[in-house]
Amino acid sequence: KAGVTQTPRYLIKTRGQQVTLSCSPISGHRSVSWYQQTPGQGLQFLFEYFSETQRNKGNFPGRFSGRQFSNSRSEMNVSTLELGDSALYLCASRAGTGSGELFFGEGSRLTVL
Amino acid sequence: GENVEQHPSTLSVQEGDSAVIKCTYSDSASNYFPWYKQELGKGPQLIIDIRSNVGEKKDQRIAVTLNKTAKHFSLHITETQPEDSAVYFCAAQKAAGNKLTFGGGTRVLVKP
Repeated sequence: KAGVTQTPRYLIKTRGQQVTLSCSPISGHRSVSWYQQTPGQGLQFLFEYFSETQRNKGNFPGRFSGRQFSNSRSEMNVSTLELGDSALYLCASRAGTGSGELFFGEGSRLTVL
Repeated sequence: GENVEQHPSTLSVQEGDSAVIKCTYSDSASNYFPWYKQELGKGPQLIIDIRSNVGEKKDQRIAVTLNKTAKHFSLHITETQPEDSAVYFCAAQKAAGNKLTFGGGTRVLVKP
C-alpha cells in the first residue's frame, strides 16, 4: 500500500506570495491532518479534514486554509507569505476520526525569502 | 486547550544504556497518548501508544508508562542502539475526533 504522498517536497517563495501544498492520503483513509514543524515550535496542528469537512482547526491566522476533495486528497494554502512561515509542512492521514495511528508523509519544506 | 510539555529537549546516551523521555499534559480528559519517532528527512512514525485505561505497555525494547493522577507519561528505551538516534515526540488526544497535540520533541543521540 502506498504511503502518504506530499508535493512538492521543496519550494522557495518570496514574502507576499502564496503557496499551495498537496497531500494524497493512504488509500481508504478519509481523515487528513496538517501540521507545521519548526525547530522552535515543534509540531503545531493546522487543521483536520474528514469527508471534505473541516473538523478541527488550530490557532493559525486566516492566511492558512485548506480543503479536501471527494477522493480524500487535500490541499493547504498559505497566502501573503511571511518569513516566519518557513517550515516543514506535514500531512498525516488515518482511516477515521477516532484516536489511532496517524500516518505521516515526508513533508513539504517551504522556505520564504 | 491541551498543552503537552516534553523533557529533555536533547538526550545523549551511550550505546547499550537506557533512555527516558518524560511528558506532562494539562487536560485530564485526554485518554490517548502516542509516541512518534522522526528520523532525518522523514515524517514522524508511531512507535508505541497507550490509552488511559492502561498503566504500562511494552514492545520489545520500548515501554511507555502513564500516571493519570499526575498527568504524565514516559517513554523508556532499553539497550539503546545507534538506530534509535532520532527525534521523539509524545502526544495527547482528548477524545475521538479531537486533534492530537504534540510535545516539543526530544532529540536522542546514541553514541557508539
